[in-house]
Amino acid sequence: NAGVMQNPRHLVRRRGQEARLRCSPMKGHSHVYWYRQLPEEGLKFMVYLQKENIIDESGMPKERFSAEFPKEGPSILRIQQVVRGDSAAYFCASSLRGQGMGYTFGSGTRLTVV
Amino acid sequence: AQKVTQAQTEISVVEKEDVTLDCVYETRDTTYYLFWYKQPPSGELVFLIRRNSFDEQNEISGRYSWNFQKSTSSFNFTITASQVVDSAVYFCALSEANTGNQFYFGTGTSLTVIP
Repeated sequence: NAGVMQNPRHLVRRRGQEARLRCSPMKGHSHVYWYRQLPEEGLKFMVYLQKENIIDESGMPKERFSAEFPKEGPSILRIQQVVRGDSAAYFCASSLRGQGMGYTFGSGTRLTVV
Repeated sequence: AQKVTQAQTEISVVEKEDVTLDCVYETRDTTYYLFWYKQPPSGELVFLIRRNSFDEQNEISGRYSWNFQKSTSSFNFTITASQVVDSAVYFCALSEANTGNQFYFGTGTSLTVIP
């Protein structure tokens, strides 16, 4: 029974490129959350999705960032035209019923922008 | 306003000493959940404990214990007889039932256990 799977674990992008981070929730979980951890900081909420719907994107930067959770396949966090300040660890969590219940975090993707 | 405050940024202790990590939270919800996570140098988040707001019983799990006090809005974490493997960053987090879409994390306490 695999947990939340995130890939890649490490991603290096040059400034201006696109970064695509993938998150496969735990089996049976239909709620997905993305968090960003900047260096030396705690995790900050970015977005909450259910299948095919964005429920809460209050933590998403207004530009260059987007997220989706299609009917089939993993959730994708997409960062266009990356800048050095996007370098961070991005964590995905999934839950069965939403409302923070039964949260399980993935191991994170560490994005480095060079 | 910060919903979760971890005032201790860094703590160093000598192996076998006890250490307490402080966590103070702020919420207007009557139903909420508190968590502690460990983040070792490898970077993943390791779940340690979840408490709901109606259960103020303190909990002990091996060398770990948690003291939940609603009167002071605190959820402190104590490691007894610390070991080098306890060296990590520890995060306290809050989830509110009414707005439970997200966790609010503290800024973490970096614990170094010196052999």
